[in-house]
Amino acid sequence: EVQLVESGGGLVQPGGSMRLSCAASGVTFSNFAMTWVRQTPGKGLEFVSSIDGRGANTFYADSVRGRFTVSRDNTRHTLYLQLNTVRPEDTATYFCAMVNSPYYNFNGEYFHSWGQGTLVIVSS
Amino acid sequence: DIQMTQSPPSLSASVGDRVTITCRASQSISTNLNWYQQIPGKAPKLLIYLASRLQSGVPSRFSGSGSGTDFTLIITSLQPEDYATYFCQQSYNTPRTFGQGTKVEIK
Repeated sequence: EVQLVESGGGLVQPGGSMRLSCAASGVTFSNFAMTWVRQTPGKGLEFVSSIDGRGANTFYADSVRGRFTVSRDNTRHTLYLQLNTVRPEDTATYFCAMVNSPYYNFNGEYFHSWGQGTLVIVSS
Repeated sequence: DIQMTQSPPSLSASVGDRVTITCRASQSISTNLNWYQQIPGKAPKLLIYLASRLQSGVPSRFSGSGSGTDFTLIITSLQPEDYATYFCQQSYNTPRTFGQGTKVEIK
């Protein structure tokens, strides 16, 4: 059974940085692309970023492009999201999710496993 | 971006009831539509992919249908463990977008 466990959330000041992690188990991690999705009461679920299984290609939502960086370490079965220059509107619960392929952004893509999320609060 | 609109935003139903949730896309997405269930404090769970395909391990009381812009999730006989929020998500265009959710509450 696939398990995804996020960590690294907490309180960060506007303009600050934070790194989120997502540890995977129960699966050959490099066989699957990964996605970050965030959730707020007001905006619901919002796509943040994707990375392919090898870590060679990445994709970002316009709202975070240039500020967030997704990466992965397949030897450690871990996905990362580096948040820089954070804004109050980045406050959300961040989920990692596993794609049904080593690739992303294809017709028929779905997120078959999700972590429980880690809360990021951007506030002074 | 493709807008996904779910209705109703919430509903109250009793155990054993048939529940219908709809999702409308702002443009045609063929059958590139997925449904997820989220229980508070838990990870979202994939129920249906490609509009009508049941994810492995998901009870057969869940079913999905539709294509183009209009989609439906049906729970044929609501069970206590089905009280949750349900989201649709399109995988036709980038960025992937989600509906606002339908909260199913106990009547």
